[in-house]
Amino acid sequence: QKEVEQDPGPLSVPEGAIVSLNCTYSNSAFQYFMWYRQYSRKGPELLMYTYSSGNKEDGRFTAQVDKSSKYISLFIRDSQPSDSATYLCAMATGSQGNLIFGKGTKLSVKP
Amino acid sequence: ETGVTQTPRHLVMGMTNKKSLKCEQHLGHNAMYWYKQSAKKPLELMFVYNFKEQTENNSVPSRFSPECPNSSHLFLHLHTLQPEDSALYLCASSPADRERYFGAGTRLSVL
Repeated sequence: QKEVEQDPGPLSVPEGAIVSLNCTYSNSAFQYFMWYRQYSRKGPELLMYTYSSGNKEDGRFTAQVDKSSKYISLFIRDSQPSDSATYLCAMATGSQGNLIFGKGTKLSVKP
Repeated sequence: ETGVTQTPRHLVMGMTNKKSLKCEQHLGHNAMYWYKQSAKKPLELMFVYNFKEQTENNSVPSRFSPECPNSSHLFLHLHTLQPEDSALYLCASSPADRERYFGAGTRLSVL
């Protein structure tokens, strides 16, 4: 079983839709959870960072962590064509832990 | 700009060539990384440097040779590569070995 599972998509939605992106993981020791956004021909950029369980909101983006289910989500409200990118989840066990990435989900938001 | 600059952005080389990738970070971070990103695979960690000292070599073939002369600069020397080494090579830095700040990457093609 892979440590981090992420559906690669592609996922296509109309502008204004609510997008839900998800990752599951197997290592219960993960405590730090991140979402990165990667535009075509660019490196990944940090989008959201959460510690342990709970929700975190930043504008149109909400990150959720459910440690009991080993499941994390990223919600994008009122999606825009500029949100079209690949979204990678990443997680680590501790402050000095190696960061484990998912394969990324390619999202396309159609005008 | 992310504060992490990689050059060149694109590189085509033959299997007998020797080339180097360069990375420079302007964020004052102490940790620097090389990652390999291939299609439909998660980001693969290659090397980690903390305060100029290599702390991790993730079973990378010796045809990849990293160099870190100071906390702001990182190189990846390449020689006698194979076609399967064609990928996007990403440099990243980190303030605390947790969240990563990535450069735009070098797209490498080995012929």
